[in-house]
Amino acid sequence: GNSVTQMEGPVTLSEEAFLTINCTYTATGYPSLFWYVQYPGEGLQLLLKATKADDKGSNKGFEATYRKETTSFHLEKGSVQVSDSAVYFCALSARTGNQFYFGTGTSLTVIP
Amino acid sequence: GAVVSQHPSWVICKSGTSVKIECRSLDFQATTMFWYRQFPKQSLMLMATSNEGSKATYEQGVEKDKFLINHASLTLSTLTVTSAHPEDSSFYICSARTSDETQYFGPGTRLLVL
Repeated sequence: GNSVTQMEGPVTLSEEAFLTINCTYTATGYPSLFWYVQYPGEGLQLLLKATKADDKGSNKGFEATYRKETTSFHLEKGSVQVSDSAVYFCALSARTGNQFYFGTGTSLTVIP
Repeated sequence: GAVVSQHPSWVICKSGTSVKIECRSLDFQATTMFWYRQFPKQSLMLMATSNEGSKATYEQGVEKDKFLINHASLTLSTLTVTSAHPEDSSFYICSARTSDETQYFGPGTRLLVL
């Protein structure tokens, strides 16, 4: 079956620290992988995506590489800012069917 | 990028009344939209898949007679919570899927049933 396992939070970092949020998946076939960010009281915003192995998605300083050999899609940012404080969701879209599979979300707080 | 709107963003209603939430894809057509429910500090729970021109597909445990979904056009899906009760209070989020399988989410609707 399809599933996403995401690093548990909450994560608290100082400004300018390096961020890694781990995400691993199980899937039948070759899924597309996504990271979404949710700010308090808002819906989810697409942060980045990758549709095939070895693709790197990037946006706003965040990066994630689709690693088929380790079934991972870890989110990284070299220097976080206070404005990055939010909940981050890893998600998978299977090639067949409509459903998205979400991780449980990782809450990030960045302190000045 | 693709934009999805939801209306209203906030609604407070009395127990026993019905509430309609609209989800619109503003700059693309979506044959498939999704409705989610999110509890505080939790992930999204898929309630149903809304298909334009056909009946919605509900997830196990979701009452289709209570949560009515209509997807009458390629840019609009509606969720009606019928005879709402306090336990239906939640954050409801819709999404619309583009042709490259990406889901774009609305800003959410917070429902409070008194």
